[in-house]
Amino acid sequence: DVKVTQSSRYLVKRTGEKVFLECVQDMDHENMFWYRQDPGLGLRLIYFSYDVKMKEKGDIPEGYSVSREKKERFSLILESASTNQTSMYLCASSHGTSGLSYNEQFFGPGTRLTVL
Amino acid sequence: GNSVTQMEGPVTLSEEAFLTINCTYTATGYPSLFWYVQYPGEGLQLLLKATKADDKGSNKGFEATYRKETTSFHLEKGSVQVSDSAVYFCALSPRAQKLVFGQGTRLTINP
Repeated sequence: DVKVTQSSRYLVKRTGEKVFLECVQDMDHENMFWYRQDPGLGLRLIYFSYDVKMKEKGDIPEGYSVSREKKERFSLILESASTNQTSMYLCASSHGTSGLSYNEQFFGPGTRLTVL
Repeated sequence: GNSVTQMEGPVTLSEEAFLTINCTYTATGYPSLFWYVQYPGEGLQLLLKATKADDKGSNKGFEATYRKETTSFHLEKGSVQVSDSAVYFCALSPRAQKLVFGQGTRLTINP
């Protein structure tokens, strides 16, 4: 059974703290993604990675960074958490391809982060 | 640019009712189109997809047809069940590997 796991389901942090969200996939996927989900806004892409140590900014990268040291693990880092980063964070992964065909993204259960 | 617009929620129906959730899109080129579903407490799952005009995606009794002339990909099901209660997201893929999502529609089915 394919699986994407996220380190925490719920997290509460204080303004200014450094926050790490971790995601692990067991499907040997090349691509990994971080999204945030907010009511009325759907999912918005923060960053994605198409290979180890490779990353590309998504639509809303400000205030975030990422790290991918191993193929199966993709970390999202909030250098200095702020209240407007309170949200649901979803990780996803998919196979890479050199062509233009789409590959299904598999999602983790999400981490609900509250910044006080 | 690329964008997806879904009908406003929440939507509440009785069991065995007919369901339509509207989705329209704006895109350059010829994107692939998708419906994802998020059950309570879970991540998103791919429900169905269509990769070119006039394609019909289907799964679990749900259907959607890629209509290029109306830039639409409406989700339909003939008879909904309580277990269909979830949040549904329409999405498009403007280029390989990336997705652009609509805002989501929360569906509640009452017995």
